[in-house]
Amino acid sequence: AAGVIQSPRHLIKEKRETATLKCYPIPRHDTVYWYQQGPGQDPQFLISFYEKMQSDKGSIPDRFSAQQFSDYHSELNMSSLELGDSALYFCASSPGDSGANVLTFGAGSRLTVL
Amino acid sequence: KQEVTQIPAALSVPEGENLVLNCSFTDSAIYNLQWFRQDPGKGLTSLLLIQSSQREQTSGRLNASLDKSSGRSTLYIAASQPGDSATYLCAVLNSNSGYALNFGKGTSLLVTP
Repeated sequence: AAGVIQSPRHLIKEKRETATLKCYPIPRHDTVYWYQQGPGQDPQFLISFYEKMQSDKGSIPDRFSAQQFSDYHSELNMSSLELGDSALYFCASSPGDSGANVLTFGAGSRLTVL
Repeated sequence: KQEVTQIPAALSVPEGENLVLNCSFTDSAIYNLQWFRQDPGKGLTSLLLIQSSQREQTSGRLNASLDKSSGRSTLYIAASQPGDSATYLCAVLNSNSGYALNFGKGTSLLVTP
């Protein structure tokens, strides 16, 4: 069965550079969520989209932005990267903007900022 | 703000033992509670989802219970195997703060042969 696809799987950037992470949800899933997991930390919610509109916002820095496109894939753009942005970034998708649905997570994109 | 706590932080057991992982949460206004497994440096695999109206869910050797009124959930693993070694995360979806999962810090489980 198709899963949530994230790319790239690994990314290395320098401080103050920009990075873009991509997420392709499970087919027919119209809701996408982004989470950030720092080393040894629990995942922290960043932002979510339902039907291409932002549905919820968590602890996402102002340097980050995200959007969901017409094909439901989502991109997380991170600018002016800092060392503390080094983390595993997870994308999850679900069918519909409802708490009753199970979130399916991707394998994550590991960002290292040097 | 919802606080999710998992006890113990780490656990080491010999193969074959039954074990219980604990999760507690401070705000009982939840949609559901989900248990995940995470292998080192890897993604999150959903194990069990319990809706707020349910008391427990079972999948193979795993059984998760939910006591919403007391803010507690347990994950029971029967006849543990070395392949069960991983970090187990509990996550709560609140009904009054959007649809963001609140995660606990996890229990790191090591099952020794």
